[in-house]
Amino acid sequence: NAGVTQTPKFQVLKTGQSMTLQCAQDMNHEYMSWYRQDPGMGLRLIHYSVGAGITDQGEVPNGYNVSRSTTEDFPLRLLSAAPSQTSVYFCASSRNPDSNQPQHFGDGTRLSIL
Amino acid sequence: GDSVTQMEGPVTLSEEAFLTINCTYTATGYPSLFWYVQYPGEGLQLLLKATKADDKGSNKGFEATYRKETTSFHLEKGSVQVSDSAVYFCALKGSGSGGSYIPTFGRGTSLIVHP
Repeated sequence: NAGVTQTPKFQVLKTGQSMTLQCAQDMNHEYMSWYRQDPGMGLRLIHYSVGAGITDQGEVPNGYNVSRSTTEDFPLRLLSAAPSQTSVYFCASSRNPDSNQPQHFGDGTRLSIL
Repeated sequence: GDSVTQMEGPVTLSEEAFLTINCTYTATGYPSLFWYVQYPGEGLQLLLKATKADDKGSNKGFEATYRKETTSFHLEKGSVQVSDSAVYFCALKGSGSGGSYIPTFGRGTSLIVHP
């Protein structure tokens, strides 16, 4: 059981480049989300989805796009990378939006923008 | 809105010492409460949870009791090991309508255990 898989694990970009961070889960979870983790800032929610075809913005959505065409996949797109987007990005999923369901996290993508 | 406050770290202990990491929360209704652990270079993993008042979650020697009267969910372990060195996150998911499925995380507390 792979759980939540994120690719790539590491990436270096130049300012202005675009890229897609991949996230896939094999647990048939309805709810998926993207966070960024920065020192001293904890986890900040970027975008989330409660099911295929449904996405919404979190706390820090600017500069990022998402789509949810299938239950399994929830890619995060950086439109034009900026140094402020240097961070560790985590994808998470949970079985459904019920309050007692925990989040399952991937191992993260470490992204540096030069 | 919902919020979670954790004690700031790092918390530095010697092996076999007693651990307490404080967590208090603000939420409407009856949220579910969680502790997650993040080891270096990894994502967060669920450590334990409690879904109603007075419930005690436990796992790997860690315990936390859902105290509604003090809005707290403190994490405790009787004897820590070097392998417990990690960052610990307290979190809640609310029971109210509209957005209750979005979890709220504390900022994390780093634990360092020395041999």
